[in-house]
Amino acid sequence: AQKVTQAQTEISVVEKEDVTLDCVYETRDTTYYLFWYKQPPSGELVFLIRRNSFDEQNEISGRYSWNFQKSTSSFNFTITASQVVDSAVYFCALTPLYSTLTFGKGTMLLVSP
Amino acid sequence: KAGVTQTPRYLIKTRGQQVTLSCSPISGHRSVSWYQQTPGQGLQFLFEYFSETQRNKGNFPGRFSGRQFSNSRSEMNVSTLELGDSALYLCASSLAAGNRGDTQYFGPGTRLTVL
Repeated sequence: AQKVTQAQTEISVVEKEDVTLDCVYETRDTTYYLFWYKQPPSGELVFLIRRNSFDEQNEISGRYSWNFQKSTSSFNFTITASQVVDSAVYFCALTPLYSTLTFGKGTMLLVSP
Repeated sequence: KAGVTQTPRYLIKTRGQQVTLSCSPISGHRSVSWYQQTPGQGLQFLFEYFSETQRNKGNFPGRFSGRQFSNSRSEMNVSTLELGDSALYLCASSLAAGNRGDTQYFGPGTRLTVL
């Protein structure tokens, strides 16, 4: 069985601070996919990134960056120069090949002006 | 391209009633998955349909059922509602079967309240 742990339940920062959201996963499969989703107060889960287990390259997209490390089973997400609009709940998720998507409990990020 | 749509957005039912939720996937997507989100349990997988066939089912009682139509639209049904069924029900669609690692795109959800 697979598992995703997001140890940070809630994080509060002030605008323009950098913030890192942690994600640790467990799976016995060698082929798997990792995801990050954002859930603003409206409720809709917004897809941010998808990574497969064979691609450990870090990725940067604007103010967002992701650090995937298989050695520590982690897939951390950093927001640089946070903005109030980044306030949301962020979910990390894992799906081994031929299995279903498992979500972490989520991290609520509150960015204050 | 239009995103995933779900209807209705809000529902209030009483215990013992049944409810049907509807989901229209992104055009061209053939897989639809359903999730239940509650404050206590988080996001939990309900079931997945691909080409009108249920491919996977989560650990939920038989009161929860679903189906998919030939146009990929999906419905889920909950019979004999219980208070604990109050939740946000999210539908997601993907191009291929979700259990092949394809990205799932979510709809806005249906907020079900059981009184």
